[in-house]
Amino acid sequence: EPEVTQTPSHQVTQMGQEVILRCVPISNHLYFYWYRQILGQKVEFLVSFYNNEISEKSEIFDDRFSVERPDGSNFTLKIRSTKLEDSAMYFCASSDGSVSDTQYFGPGTRLTVL
Amino acid sequence: GIQVEQSPPDLILQEGANSTLRCNFSDSVNNLQWFHQNPWGQLINLFYIPSGTKQNGRLSATTVATERYSLLYISSSQTTDSGVYFCAVNFNKFYFGSGTKLNVKP
Repeated sequence: EPEVTQTPSHQVTQMGQEVILRCVPISNHLYFYWYRQILGQKVEFLVSFYNNEISEKSEIFDDRFSVERPDGSNFTLKIRSTKLEDSAMYFCASSDGSVSDTQYFGPGTRLTVL
Repeated sequence: GIQVEQSPPDLILQEGANSTLRCNFSDSVNNLQWFHQNPWGQLINLFYIPSGTKQNGRLSATTVATERYSLLYISSSQTTDSGVYFCAVNFNKFYFGSGTKLNVKP
């Protein structure tokens, strides 16, 4: 069964640095998403992406965040000037945009900002 | 945004017991999914269930869309069922509940 993959599984960075989280969505999917989960809390929507542009973003997704689909397979989340409060698990998801719109989630990247 | 409430927040079971987890949501949605978050933090999709009933082994789920709730049934629980169970509803994007933390003791 096809699956969403994410790298790295764990990223440690110093406050103020830039990080790039990478995702490979399911190959025939057209809609891509990032979510985050602060330890012990619920999963929260960050951004959705379709047709090479952002469809919707939450208030969490401030101007330090950006997303990109640099080629036909990868989908990246970049965080500039990282803050301690960016520490969280980041999940990538993709869907084929059908009526059911089932989203398939990757295993997550745990980001730790020191 | 859509409100998603899950109950109970915590549940402790003895191995072999059955349980029912509930998810209430505040508005009509396109889709509802149940996830199990394992101890490593991975979200495992259990069911896509916008309406009706589905079963997969010891797990089953029922969604009554007109009354805006869904139930997840776990029968003959095992220690490997431990973790957090999330309900998420889709209305252009996913709105997650706060989860039910399940601890199955041997």
